[in-house]
Amino acid sequence: GAGVSQSPSNKVTEKGKDVELRCDPISGHTALYWYRQRLGQGLEFLIYFQGNSAPDKSGLPSDRFSAERTGESVSTLTIQRTQQEDSAVYLCASSLGRQTGQFFGPGTRLTVL
Amino acid sequence: QQQVKQSPQSLIVQKGGISIINCAYENTAFDYFPWYQQFPGKGPALLIAIRPDVSEKKEGRFTISFNKSAKQFSLHIMDSQPGDSATYFCAGGYGQNFVFGPGTRLSVLP
Repeated sequence: GAGVSQSPSNKVTEKGKDVELRCDPISGHTALYWYRQRLGQGLEFLIYFQGNSAPDKSGLPSDRFSAERTGESVSTLTIQRTQQEDSAVYLCASSLGRQTGQFFGPGTRLTVL
Repeated sequence: QQQVKQSPQSLIVQKGGISIINCAYENTAFDYFPWYQQFPGKGPALLIAIRPDVSEKKEGRFTISFNKSAKQFSLHIMDSQPGDSATYFCAGGYGQNFVFGPGTRLSVLP
């Protein structure tokens, strides 16, 4: 079956531009997560959706970052006025429920020049 | 979110050897402990997971040992192969909340 997909796979943008990153979770997965991973680093939690509500936005690093989710489907992470420190791989994961683990997409590599 | 500590940061093992990665957690509400394997340029992939009501789980060459009283768990990779070279992340979870360790970079020498 299809896994988690993310698009684009790579995004190069200029400082100050806005970017939108897309995540398509596994069908039926109610929970959706966004993480940021800088080169050689661990996973930095950004936001978690249960359905289309976001009970935990605690990881968003600034008000330039926002995310939304349509029902229990696609999610979009938007970064406004990008900065060079936003350069990283942005990973999306989905989960079916308790004690089932998360399934990750391949990530979007964002480079801000 | 409370931390999950992971060690070592990096590990080099000869082919055929045993790789051991250790994690410690703080949040006693955690009821699910997965391990993820990440190859360069790929997203993490769920490798094996354990619940706190068992002390050990084995899947092929991969074994999780769990010590609830010490709040520690470890991943053992038996007969390590060069193809196991990757970054490994442990995590603790409860409900839909997950906290990841910082990762261990494993290199298995041929």
